[in-house]
Amino acid sequence: GESVGLHLPTLSVQEGDNSIINCAYSNSASDYFIWYKQESGKGPQFIIDIRSNMDKRQGQRVTVLLNKTVKHLSLQIAATQPGDSAVYFCAENRAGGENKLTFGTGTQLKVEL
Amino acid sequence: DSGVTQTPKHLITATGQRVTLRCSPRSGDLSVYWYQQSLDQGLQFLIQYYNGEERAKGNILERFSAQQFPDLHSELNLSSLELGDSALYFCASSVQGSTNTEAFFGQGTRLTVV
Repeated sequence: GESVGLHLPTLSVQEGDNSIINCAYSNSASDYFIWYKQESGKGPQFIIDIRSNMDKRQGQRVTVLLNKTVKHLSLQIAATQPGDSAVYFCAENRAGGENKLTFGTGTQLKVEL
Repeated sequence: DSGVTQTPKHLITATGQRVTLRCSPRSGDLSVYWYQQSLDQGLQFLIQYYNGEERAKGNILERFSAQQFPDLHSELNLSSLELGDSALYFCASSVQGSTNTEAFFGQGTRLTVV
């Protein structure tokens, strides 16, 4: 069935290294994607979004890459900091009349000092 | 602070009971979304309201209902509660009616059904 999923449930990185969190989606009609960060005890926080007419978008220390050919999305965090430790969710909006975000199961990012 | 306010933060109730969760969107936002997050699942979309009217529906149970009031705050009503309804319930808001835009989440209400 249609789904949005994450390849790795847990990712551990050293402080200062770059982090890459991956996400696969199955609906080629999806046209909008968002990455959210959720810290313990808090609600999801918007990080960056990308539309299907783009391949790459950069923010502050974050870059989202979209590969529509293989239906893959990634979030790159440069110079990972302890404050980046959180669960990261990708979400997609499926085109075709539906008006809801579908979230993946999340990846736990752990930053080791 | 996202600007979205949810009350209460924590709620403990017994099976079979009914509860109401409240959400105040960011100033100026017309859309309100409700999500459920349980331990074994990610964020599940429940329902969306835009300017007082239902705009989209997800996997919301018939025991659950929501509404958005003229002042744009929203309430999620959960009735005949079961143990499996224990979860975090998040409200999000956005300016537009489409989810092709950034949505801001509240801190959530943690519901525990005992």
